[in-house]
Amino acid sequence: GQQVMQIPQYQHVQEGEDFTTYCNSSTTLSNIQWYKQRPGGHPVFLIQLVKSGEVKKQKRLTFQFGEAKKNSSLHITATQTTDVGTYFCAGPHAGGTSYGKLTFGQGTILTVHP
Amino acid sequence: DADVTQTPRNRITKTGKRIMLECSQTKGHDRMYWYRQDPGLGLRLIYYSFDVKDINKGEISDGYSVSRQAQAKFSLSLESAIPNQTALYFCATSKTNTQYFGPGTRLTVL
Repeated sequence: GQQVMQIPQYQHVQEGEDFTTYCNSSTTLSNIQWYKQRPGGHPVFLIQLVKSGEVKKQKRLTFQFGEAKKNSSLHITATQTTDVGTYFCAGPHAGGTSYGKLTFGQGTILTVHP
Repeated sequence: DADVTQTPRNRITKTGKRIMLECSQTKGHDRMYWYRQDPGLGLRLIYYSFDVKDINKGEISDGYSVSRQAQAKFSLSLESAIPNQTALYFCATSKTNTQYFGPGTRLTVL
């Protein structure tokens, strides 16, 4: 079945350093989504990428979808303590009865030291 | 996201007990999902429902059952709880691909 792998599992940074998490799918994705879960909270949708090679920015966050639509990355510039949490990528199952289901990566837990 | 609520928020129970976790939503979405979250394993799908008469197993449905009582309500039951079902459980809804999660239920099975 479809697998979505995410690395690294953990990342510890000093405040002000950059952070990147990578997501790789075993199958081509129609789109990819990113979610953030704050400590003690629930996953919250951040963004969806649809086009091959697409790059989107949200303030200090840059999201990229690979040319082959099988990988994606989230880059945070100059991390802040408010960035702490777990970042998940998720890809949809394609077509048929699986439509609407998402496969989530294992998540990257980001810790930011002030 | 008060649009998706889960009860209870925390529950401690004993092995062998039947437990029901409830999820309600006011977003008007047809699709609802139950996930469990374990450290290092991300979010794994237990069951999902695309409308009131539609129930589907996810990747880890063994030991669980669900009921879709109405468009707005989707309940998850553990018929006979066991310790390895200790986890954080999330309900989610969607209209398209984007999913909206409830606050979660932390379940501990002793």
